[in-house]
Amino acid sequence: KQEVTQIPAALSVPEGENLVLNCSFTDSAIYNLQWFRQDPGKGLTSLLLIQSSQREQTSGRLNASLDKSSGRSTLYIAASQPGDSATYLCAVRQGGSEKLVFGKGTKLTVNP
Amino acid sequence: GAGVSQTPSNKVTEKGKYVELRCDPISGHTALYWYRQSLGQGPEFLIYFQGTGAADDSGLPNDRFFAVRPEGSVSTLKIQRTERGDSAVYLCASSLGPGTGVEGYTFGSGTRLTVV
Repeated sequence: KQEVTQIPAALSVPEGENLVLNCSFTDSAIYNLQWFRQDPGKGLTSLLLIQSSQREQTSGRLNASLDKSSGRSTLYIAASQPGDSATYLCAVRQGGSEKLVFGKGTKLTVNP
Repeated sequence: GAGVSQTPSNKVTEKGKYVELRCDPISGHTALYWYRQSLGQGPEFLIYFQGTGAADDSGLPNDRFFAVRPEGSVSTLKIQRTERGDSAVYLCASSLGPGTGVEGYTFGSGTRLTVV
């Protein structure tokens, strides 16, 4: 059974810092991995999707990497801003399945 | 529509009552998913529709939960004899479906269900 773990559970940083969020998964037979952002009381916003054959994806100040063999992904946020404050969720999709398995998320607070 | 729409946004019901939660996916999205998110947890898969049929309902916790998508668009998640443990945010997502080359999901804002 696939399990997804996100570390740390919470992170507080001053504005302008570069930071890394970690995601690990137990079964490396994934189809893709997706990073989402969730604001309080809101749904999920997709940030980046990495196919199993890819090593990384970039969007603006965000960079996500994938090491499938070791079961790890990182989300790098450059020059953090208070507007980046949210919960970041990692989710993997197994090959042959349409469902996503989520981690519990990392709650990020960027202080002005 | 422009996004995935879920109604109601909030629902408070008494233990033992029946509730229906509605999801209106993005127009043209053939795949529709329901997830449940408890406080402090990540979303957990409930059911996946491809068109009108439930292609995977392995996440439904018990037979009190049922979902339909009769015309391949709007879906309704139905919960009978609600229990306090059913309190959670119920999230719906849609996508273009497998094999389309566009693999990402679009989520709605969710329905917060509180059973008192």
